This record gives sequence, C-alpha cells and structure tokens, in this order.
Amino acid sequence: GDSVTQMEGPVTLSEEAFLTINCTYTATGYPSLFWYVQYPGEGLQLLLKATKADDKGSNKGFEATYRKETTSFHLEKGSVQVSDSAVYFCALGKANFGNEKLTFGTGTRLTIIP
Amino acid sequence: AAGVIQSPRHLIKEKRETATLKCYPIPRHDTVYWYQQGPGQDPQFLISFYEKMQSDKGSIPDRFSAQQFSDYHSELNMSSLELGDSALYFCASKRGGAQETQYFGPGTRLLVL
Repeated sequence: GDSVTQMEGPVTLSEEAFLTINCTYTATGYPSLFWYVQYPGEGLQLLLKATKADDKGSNKGFEATYRKETTSFHLEKGSVQVSDSAVYFCALGKANFGNEKLTFGTGTRLTIIP
Repeated sequence: AAGVIQSPRHLIKEKRETATLKCYPIPRHDTVYWYQQGPGQDPQFLISFYEKMQSDKGSIPDRFSAQQFSDYHSELNMSSLELGDSALYFCASKRGGAQETQYFGPGTRLLVL
C-alpha cells in the first residue's frame, strides 16, 4: 500500500541554520504531496503542497519540490527561526473518486535554539 | 476565516464507557475525515464522508461508528472504550473534488482511564 517515510527526529538546529527534512513516498498513480506542521498542543496546519511532478510548494520561507524520479518531497528552509519549532509531517493523498484520505509519515520534531 | 470546529476539546472517560466526538466543517465543505493520533504517533485515517455518505474507511474499530448529518457536521461515536483509545482525534474537512486541501480542526484529546 501507500506509505511515507520521513527523516527521523528529533532535529535540533541553531537559529538561522539551514533546514532539510527528508521525505520519500511509495504510491501507485499520481498522489498529491503535503507538509503539515503541528505546534505544541495544536492541530495540524497545512504548510505547503504540490499536486504533480516538478511542482514546488512554498510558504513562510519553506519549500518542497515534488520529485517523481526520486519519489521525494524534501522540506527545506534557508534560515530557521525559534518560532519554527514544531512537529512536521509529510503526507500523501490519493484521489479516490474525489475523496482523498491522507497517509502520513511518522513526523519529525524540530527544535530551534536561539 | 472560519475553521473546522471540534467539540469537546478534551474528554476523560472510564473503560467501557461511550464517547461522542463532534466535528463542524468549514462552511461549504461537504467532505469530512476523521483521524486518530496516538501519543507520539502519526495520524491514522479512520473514516470519511462525502455528501452525508461514507466514502472511505480505514483502520476504524468495529466499536466505533460515525455519520455525517444534513448540515454536514459529523459525529464519531465510540463505545466500550479501551485504554488504547486514548489519543488525539482530528477531524478535517474539504470541498468535494480531487486535489482540494484538507483543513484540520484542533482535535479532541480523549483520555480513557
């Protein structure tokens, strides 16, 4: 079945460091790919998405490119801030007659230290 | 902008009791999803509804049932609660159609003692 493999955490970085969180997927067909972020005690917020190969999703300085050849959707940010500390989930969605349940990776906890 | 509303936000139950979780989707969203997130785990898909009909089913125990009502809100009913049901339960909603984004509610944290 479909699956998402995500870089294990936790990840600790200093403020202004470069961030990469790796995500690879296994799926038949043409899934959409997402990054969701979960701040402490809160729900999941969509960070960015890409719906087809070579699409680049971007938001709040984060970027991820849908790479079909490597089945990857790595999350990057050039300069992280303390406020980026959260758990990041990579997810894929497979359309099923318009219904698109999400399959999540295990999440990566990111801590940014000042 | 209006968001997905879930109630209650926190719930404490005893083993073998029942619980009902409610989800109010974003206006004009006709599709609702339920996910369960155990402690330190990734969210797992339970069940979804489109236009008041069940559209997909995941790893939902037989003790759980759900439905979507005419106003598009949804309820997850959980019976014979077990300790392992303690988790964060998310509802998400979206407009029907492929590639529409799912928007998540804040979750209901259920603790079974």
